[in-house]
Amino acid sequence: GNSVTQMEGPVTLSEEAFLTINCTYTATGYPSLFWYVQYPGEGLQLLLKATKADDKGSNKGFEATYRKETTSFHLEKGSVQVSDSAVYFCALSDLNNRLAFGKGNQVVVIP
Amino acid sequence: SAVISQKPSRDICQRGTSLTIQCQVDSQVTMMFWYRQQPGQSLTLIATANQGSEATYESGFVIDKFPISRPNLTFSTLTVSNMSPEDSSIYLCSVRGLVGDTQYFGPGTRLTVL
Repeated sequence: GNSVTQMEGPVTLSEEAFLTINCTYTATGYPSLFWYVQYPGEGLQLLLKATKADDKGSNKGFEATYRKETTSFHLEKGSVQVSDSAVYFCALSDLNNRLAFGKGNQVVVIP
Repeated sequence: SAVISQKPSRDICQRGTSLTIQCQVDSQVTMMFWYRQQPGQSLTLIATANQGSEATYESGFVIDKFPISRPNLTFSTLTVSNMSPEDSSIYLCSVRGLVGDTQYFGPGTRLTVL
């Protein structure tokens, strides 16, 4: 079945540092890929998406590129802010639009 | 994107009782889903709510425990039946709009079972 794997453990970094969160997937066919973000005390929000190979999704300074050859969709941001502290989930959508989520990564940005 | 509301936003319930969670969308959507997020965990799909017919459940979830209704294109309910402390979770509904395959999530219902 479809599955999403995110790197283990929380991520703690200083303001203005470079952020990378790894995401790899296993799926049949060509799923759409998503990054969702959950800020403290808030609901789940779509951050960005990509629907086919080599597509780059971007939003709020975050980027992720759909890499079919490595089955990856890593999230990056060049200079994080304290306000980026949140939990980030990678997800894929199958043909029936059912989402499979990774375990999530808590990101803590220190001033 | 659609505006999604859920009721209640949170509840504390006694074991053995049932709770019905409502999900309302401000526009017609093609698909509605119910997810569970256990404490400190990721989201797991419970079922797809089908309009006018029985929901489609994922492995590990059954209708007797999580009955779902979807009487029209903008409203769905999830009931958590005969609750135990293990059912303590955040329950979220999501919708897929008329265009594209992106799902948008409601604010969630935080359930605590004592």
